[in-house]
Amino acid sequence: GAVVSQHPSRVICKSGTSVKIECRSLDFQATTMFWYRQFPKQSLMLMATSNEGSKATYEQGVEKDKFLINHASLTLSTLTVTSAHPEDSSFYICSAPKPGLGEQYFGPGTRLTVT
Amino acid sequence: KNQVEQSPQSLIILEGKNCTLQCNYTVSPFSNLRWYKQDTGRGPVSLTIMTFSENTKSNGRYTATLDADTKQSSLHITASQLSDSASYICVVTLNQAGTALIFGKGTTLSVSS
Repeated sequence: GAVVSQHPSRVICKSGTSVKIECRSLDFQATTMFWYRQFPKQSLMLMATSNEGSKATYEQGVEKDKFLINHASLTLSTLTVTSAHPEDSSFYICSAPKPGLGEQYFGPGTRLTVT
Repeated sequence: KNQVEQSPQSLIILEGKNCTLQCNYTVSPFSNLRWYKQDTGRGPVSLTIMTFSENTKSNGRYTATLDADTKQSSLHITASQLSDSASYICVVTLNQAGTALIFGKGTTLSVSS
């Protein structure tokens, strides 16, 4: 069964509003989680690394004030897209490494559409 | 520069046929290499994971090979099915914790009847 969940799976919002996406590790604790963005027919692009108890680390070119990340607990990280614009429409995926194995588990993704 | 390159970019095969996807990497240090399958609109799902000491790993009709000397890996799919149509992503991990990853761009496989 799924070990990493995301909510919501799909969201449509109006331009200028904010949207929060949740990523949860279901049966393990994750001090680190990753957020990716994927445009149609393209590969996953790492946006940021979410660290429990400290600030997130953002990849070059990703605006930290626009994509707010909060690692609220050892099983939950949230990504908030603030003041969303149509160009933010994309498929957002999170992942978390399971301790011990180093296995990376991906969430099912969230389809964001900004109108 | 750490890179993972996959080929071909896309592939179309007939149902029942076999195919092989390639992954070349220039990554250091190297912890393990994974192949993922990503269905359209879904998150990637792990197929195989191999450390540098492993040469081959199978998961049903999927067989991955690794040559740590030449830094090449392949994913062989046997007797393809329509449900194999997906993107296959090669990911190399730099550390044992799995927190440093280099992604390939993926190979899009289409299996037709």
